[in-house]
Amino acid sequence: EAGVAQSPRYKIIEKRQSVAFWCNPISGHATLYWYQQILGQGPKLLIQFQNNGVVDDSQLPKDRFSAERLKGVDSTLKIQPAKLEDSAVYLCASSSSRGGINEQFFGPGTRLTVL
Amino acid sequence: AQTVTQSQPEMSVQEAETVTLSCTYDTSENNYYLFWYKQPPSRQMILVIRQEAYKQQNATENRFSVNFQKAAKSFSLKISDSQLGDTAMYFCAFMKGPSNTGKLIFGQGTTLQVKP
Repeated sequence: EAGVAQSPRYKIIEKRQSVAFWCNPISGHATLYWYQQILGQGPKLLIQFQNNGVVDDSQLPKDRFSAERLKGVDSTLKIQPAKLEDSAVYLCASSSSRGGINEQFFGPGTRLTVL
Repeated sequence: AQTVTQSQPEMSVQEAETVTLSCTYDTSENNYYLFWYKQPPSRQMILVIRQEAYKQQNATENRFSVNFQKAAKSFSLKISDSQLGDTAMYFCAFMKGPSNTGKLIFGQGTTLQVKP
């Protein structure tokens, strides 16, 4: 079974530029999460999708961050305009809603550096 | 709001020895799940072990076991017979129940170095 795919793996941009990250979850996983992991800290949820609907975006800075999950499969996270404090690793995870305790499967992440 | 605290930023252990990583959490919920995740230097996070709060029996997975103290809100991870491949950052995480698809709330992490 293929894992969660993310691209790009690394991105360097200047502040005030825009950037987009892509995530393809494990096939059949209805729930998709985007986490932000600042260096030296634990990941923090930005947004959670159930199929193509938003479940939780309470910690998403909506003035600059946006995300979508068209057709309930892959997802894109965008930052526009980027700030220095957005430098972090952006992790995508997915999980199945089928019974039992949820296990979230994580992708390799996209490391963003904002200069 | 729930919080997760890992008070040991860094730990080290000799190969083949046992190490325990600490985690405490704060919640007013009665139904929740607890997890330990491992993040090796390549940064892909993987699940190590999980525990349902309603279960009194501590979870075990091969060399990994937990000590779940619900009243004390403590959830420590014990790694027995440590191996070089256990070198990683370990995160304790909380998920509110009863939904099994909620968000994870992570602690700050503990970097574990296994020495040969």
